[in-house]
Amino acid sequence: GNSVTQMEGPVTLSEEAFLTINCTYTATGYPSLFWYVQYPGEGLQLLLKATKADDKGSNKGFEATYRKETTSFHLEKGSVQVSDSAVYFCALSEGGKLSFGAGTTVTVRA
Amino acid sequence: KAGVTQTPRYLIKTRGQQVTLSCSPISGHRSVSWYQQTPGQGLQFLFEYFSETQRNKGNFPGRFSGRQFSNSRSEMNVSTLELGDSALYLCASSGNPGNADTQYFGPGTRLTVL
Repeated sequence: GNSVTQMEGPVTLSEEAFLTINCTYTATGYPSLFWYVQYPGEGLQLLLKATKADDKGSNKGFEATYRKETTSFHLEKGSVQVSDSAVYFCALSEGGKLSFGAGTTVTVRA
Repeated sequence: KAGVTQTPRYLIKTRGQQVTLSCSPISGHRSVSWYQQTPGQGLQFLFEYFSETQRNKGNFPGRFSGRQFSNSRSEMNVSTLELGDSALYLCASSGNPGNADTQYFGPGTRLTVL
């Protein structure tokens, strides 16, 4: 079956530090890959997505590249802000059903 | 465009009761999916509806059911509530039930079972 494994947290960083959250997946077909973010007390917001191999998704300074050869979709941001503190979820979609990783809690300190 | 709306936002029930949660998708979206989020199990897929038909179902007992109406609004029902059903229930909508279609999530309904 499909599954997503992402880096365990929590991750604590200082402002302007580099952030990377590792995500690898197992899928039977050709899934689309997503990163969602959840702020305290809220639902999930789409951060970025990639629908085929070698696609790069980007939004708000975050980037992730769909790597079929390593079955990975690592999230990166070059300079984080306090407002980036949230829980980040890697997910894959196959047949319209999302399978999520466990989530990584990121805290950015001023 | 208004986002996905879910009602109610918070619910408190007791064991053995049943509950109905409602989800209104983004205007024009015809696919609605439901997810359960708990600290222990994370985010788990419950079911998906498209054009009033259940397309996909996750690995949950039959106490969890859902339906979709002709206006694409969806409800999910949980009967004979158990303590372990306490969770954030998230609804997501998309235009079509394809791999590449983005699912947009509502704020969730926080269900507490006492």
